[in-house]
Amino acid sequence: GNSVTQMEGPVTLSEEAFLTINCTYTATGYPSLFWYVQYPGEGLQLLLKATKADDKGSNKGFEATYRKETTSFHLEKGSVQVSDSAVYFCARQSGNTPLVFGKGTRLSVIA
Amino acid sequence: GAGVSQSPSNKVTEKGKDVELRCDPISGHTALYWYRQSLGQGLEFLIYFQGNSAPDKSGLPSDRFSAERTGGSVSTLTIQRTQQEDSAVYLCASSLTLGSGTYNEQFFGPGTRLTVL
Repeated sequence: GNSVTQMEGPVTLSEEAFLTINCTYTATGYPSLFWYVQYPGEGLQLLLKATKADDKGSNKGFEATYRKETTSFHLEKGSVQVSDSAVYFCARQSGNTPLVFGKGTRLSVIA
Repeated sequence: GAGVSQSPSNKVTEKGKDVELRCDPISGHTALYWYRQSLGQGLEFLIYFQGNSAPDKSGLPSDRFSAERTGGSVSTLTIQRTQQEDSAVYLCASSLTLGSGTYNEQFFGPGTRLTVL
């Protein structure tokens, strides 16, 4: 079936450190891939997406590239800020099916 | 503009009681989804509605769970005879239509935190 696996958290980084959160997906069909973010006390919101192989999604300094050969969609940011502290969810969606989420990775950035 | 709203924001109930959770989607959105977020399980799909079509109930964990969508807008998720394992945050999302098209983003509500004692 369709599934998404992302790295276990929590991840704790110092401000300005480089961030990578790994995400891999099952290679069924031609899914669109997403990263959602949930800031403390707020609802889930879309961070970025990519709809086909080799596409790069980017937003707020975050990037992720749809890699079909490795079935991956790793989230990266070159220099994290305290305000990036949140829970990050990788997700996939094929056609008209609902989103399938990973279990989430909690990121804490300390000053 | 108004986003997806959910009520109540918090609900504490006793085991065995029924609960109703409400979702108001963004006006004009024909697709509506319910997800559950619980510790250790991440986000799980429960059910979705698309327009007037029969809902996809494939994610509902048991027959104690049901959902309705009246008039293609507001939706109610009902959990009968609640159990402690039903404790979770229940999230509602809506989108213009089904599918993962470029402009078809799912917008999420703030969730209802359900605690079953």
